[in-house]
Amino acid sequence: TQLLEQSPQFLSIQEGENLTVYCNSSSVFSSLQWYRQEPGEGPVLLVTVVTGGEVKKLKRLTFQFGDARKDSSLHITAAQPGDTGLYLCAGAHAGGTSYGKLTFGQGTILTVHP
Amino acid sequence: NAGVMQNPRHLVRRRGQEARLRCSPMKGHSHVYWYRQLPEEGLKFMVYLQKENIIDESGMPKERFSAEFPKEGPSILRIQQVVRGDSAAYFCASSPLTVNTEAFFGQGTRLTVV
Repeated sequence: TQLLEQSPQFLSIQEGENLTVYCNSSSVFSSLQWYRQEPGEGPVLLVTVVTGGEVKKLKRLTFQFGDARKDSSLHITAAQPGDTGLYLCAGAHAGGTSYGKLTFGQGTILTVHP
Repeated sequence: NAGVMQNPRHLVRRRGQEARLRCSPMKGHSHVYWYRQLPEEGLKFMVYLQKENIIDESGMPKERFSAEFPKEGPSILRIQQVVRGDSAAYFCASSPLTVNTEAFFGQGTRLTVV
């Protein structure tokens, strides 16, 4: 069974601070996706990283995929109250009957105080 | 996210009743995945289907749960004789037939068993 450990589980910070969320696994994934979920809604895809060592930026968010494709991080610069939400990482399986199946981390509940 | 349609959004069932959750994938998507989410937790994979075929049901409870994706119409997740422990948010995701594909989620069905 492939597991994805996400940390921290809770993060409460002040507006303007920086933060990093981590996802770690002992298994290799074909790609890793980051989602954000608002209460009562479904997860919304933020980014997909595919290549080991890949770095993608989305405004103030920076996503990195580890060289071995086992871990990933999400860094938010100058957090704003609008960033508040549940952030989920998910590793995608490749091939066979598991094609496209996602293994999710436990999630990080981020609260940014004004 | 808006492309994957799930209904109903909220479903209340008494213990012992049946629950039917429907999912219409995005246009052009041939892969459907069902996930379950408990409060403030990540999503857990349940089943992966293609048209008229169950590809991977390793996350489905052995009893009372079934899923189908017929040639015509939406995918259905069926829970028979519901119990309070079945209360959760159930999400459907769809993806196209490509490598390293991205999954897009519906808004979910929140099942409450009373």
